[in-house]
Amino acid sequence: GIQVEQSPPDLILQEGANSTLRCNFSDSVNNLQWFHQNPWGQLINLFYIPSGTKQNGRLSATTVATERYSLLYISSSQTTDSGVYFCAVDHTGTASKLTFGTGTRLQVTL
Amino acid sequence: EAQVTQNPRYLITVTGKKLTVTCSQNMNHEYMSWYRQDPGLGLRQIYYSMNVEVTDKGDVPEGYKVSRKEKRNFPLILESPSPNQTSLYFCASSLLGQGINQPQHFGDGTRLSIL
Repeated sequence: GIQVEQSPPDLILQEGANSTLRCNFSDSVNNLQWFHQNPWGQLINLFYIPSGTKQNGRLSATTVATERYSLLYISSSQTTDSGVYFCAVDHTGTASKLTFGTGTRLQVTL
Repeated sequence: EAQVTQNPRYLITVTGKKLTVTCSQNMNHEYMSWYRQDPGLGLRQIYYSMNVEVTDKGDVPEGYKVSRKEKRNFPLILESPSPNQTSLYFCASSLLGQGINQPQHFGDGTRLSIL
């Protein structure tokens, strides 16, 4: 099956700092989503981005499908950004399954 | 508001006592799916459904049943729960695209503890 690797596995930032999270995948994909899992366990959908670039406030994402990677940028980080960030992909073409990466655990400190 | 609703959010129960976790979506999505999340193993798909009366196994279907009698509902049934089914469960739904998949929308999760 498709492999999804995320880096770094852990990240500690001071409030106000910027960061880049990376997702590499081993095959072509039809769907790529970024999620934030908050401390209460909820999965928050950040971006649906099988290709191209999108921005939403302090967050932006870029997927270069031909090179099989995606980047999530967090600018001016806040303590509420803490949690685990997951990249998930589907390469089946039939919406049958998202394969999740192992996540990047982010802690933003004051 | 467009959403996927799971109930209950938390449940502690005992081995062997049948339980059902409900999932409902109000977006008229054809596709629905169940995942479980475990430490060190990530999120894994249990079952999915492409439409009413159409269901199929995911990666870890053992010990679970599902049904899709209506488009909006996709309950997860544990006929005889065991402690290894203690986990955080997510229901998801999406439209079915033509050639390119649509984003999946997730419920808030159900935390199950089987004693």
